[in-house]
Amino acid sequence: AQSVTQLDSHVSVSEGTPVLLRCNYSSSYSPSLFWYVQHPNKGLQLLLKYTSAATLVKGINGFEAEFKKSETSFHLTKPSAHMSDAAEYFCVVSDPGSTLTFGKGTMLLVSP
Amino acid sequence: KAGVTQTPRYLIKTRGQQVTLSCSPISGHRSVSWYQQTPGQGLQFLFEYFSETQRNKGNFPGRFSGRQFSNSRSEMNVSTLELGDSALYLCASATFSGGARNEQFFGPGTRLTVL
Repeated sequence: AQSVTQLDSHVSVSEGTPVLLRCNYSSSYSPSLFWYVQHPNKGLQLLLKYTSAATLVKGINGFEAEFKKSETSFHLTKPSAHMSDAAEYFCVVSDPGSTLTFGKGTMLLVSP
Repeated sequence: KAGVTQTPRYLIKTRGQQVTLSCSPISGHRSVSWYQQTPGQGLQFLFEYFSETQRNKGNFPGRFSGRQFSNSRSEMNVSTLELGDSALYLCASATFSGGARNEQFFGPGTRLTVL
C-alpha cells in the first residue's frame, strides 16, 4: 500500500529566503512521486514529477525536489521564495498502475 | 489546447437532494478521475474512468457514482446528500501510454455546499 506524509502543515518564510517543504512516502514498489500546488480557489497545478529517472527533479517556477530512496523522502525546495509562491502544496505518491494518494498538504506563507 | 473544465463551479443543495457534476477532459485524454477535497480529510480519490469503464474506485459509499461518455466527458452523481458531502470536487484527466497513466491535469473544481 502506498502512503505519503507531509511533515509540516504550515511553513512560513520571508521573501527571498529558501523554501523547504518536507515529504516522506511509503510504497511497496518503485513509485512515481509528484508535487502539486493549489492557489486559493484554483485547481491543482503540477510542479514536478519523479518517475525513476534522475533523482534530482527540476520543476516549474524554480522549484526542485530530490528523491532519496534510503530516506524514503521527496522534499521540495526553492532557493528564493517569492510572494506569488504562497499557496498550498501537496506531495503525491502513485504505485505503478495505481491511483494517486495525496498528502494532507503544506500551506506556504510568504511574508514581505 | 483548452484545459479541464468543470460545471457548475458552485452549487448549493439541501440535505436529501441529489446532485450531478460534469467534467470535460482535455481533448485526447481518455482517463478521467474524480477527487473530493475537504479541510478535514484532504484530497481523497473517488473513482477513475477510462474508455467509459470504471477503472478504479475509492472508499466512498454507493451514494457516489459516476459515468463516462463516448466523448470522454464524465459526470459524477451524489444522491441523498449529507452535510458532510460539502466539499470541493476536483476532476482530472490524463492520457495513457504503454499501459501507464501519464500526469493528471486538474480542473478548477466544483464547490458543493450542502445545507
